Amino acid sequence: GAGVSQSPRYKVTKRGQDVALRCDPISGHVSLYWYRQALGQGPEFLTYFNYEAQQDKSGLPNDRFSAERPEGSISTLTIQRTEQRDSAMYRCASSNGQGPFFGSGTQLSVL
Amino acid sequence: AQKITQTQPGMFVQEKEAVTLDCTYDTSDQSYGLFWYKQPSSGEMIFLIYQGSYDEQNATEGRYSLNFQKARKSANLVISASQLGDSAMYFCAMREAGYNQGGKLIFGQGTELSVKP
Repeated sequence: GAGVSQSPRYKVTKRGQDVALRCDPISGHVSLYWYRQALGQGPEFLTYFNYEAQQDKSGLPNDRFSAERPEGSISTLTIQRTEQRDSAMYRCASSNGQGPFFGSGTQLSVL
Repeated sequence: AQKITQTQPGMFVQEKEAVTLDCTYDTSDQSYGLFWYKQPSSGEMIFLIYQGSYDEQNATEGRYSLNFQKARKSANLVISASQLGDSAMYFCAMREAGYNQGGKLIFGQGTELSVKP
């Protein structure tokens, strides 16, 4: 597609529920990144992929967070047993020698 | 560990004037990349400009230029002829290792720029 697409745009969930956030990168982009951004702060790195291989997951806060990119294109960030502290904007970005270019993000609210 | 510092939480500039947003970084690597992003109130993150550590020329993209001073470990963003639409949060970021090798970007805390008419 023309840009990085993320869905849903907004997600409201109850504490304890699992959520899956989707990222569709720019077509042909090798690298895909997940970031989390709190209000008024810079984005915080979570994980990134080259093709389908997860290269670095050092930023995932704990084992409730996981990400996959099984076919080297679309990626899913999954948060299990959500907690209120997980509330944030989750951003995906992709690059292929330029950028990275960010999507519009998914605003997650955990009640 | 790599670190990015943006010391100006907020900046004001008069429309049509130039403004410099500061960014310093800390890394022990010789190969790294420096990035600037713009985040308007709409929330999107817009890639502005990139500078590689081995690039001899300062990067320029339209009204944006990156004042890269390697010895001082600074990568300031210069916006010329400011426009009202330049009002936004600006983030500096760094990635260690070569540009085409992927790798995580570490972001600074951002500078909020307000352009006055």
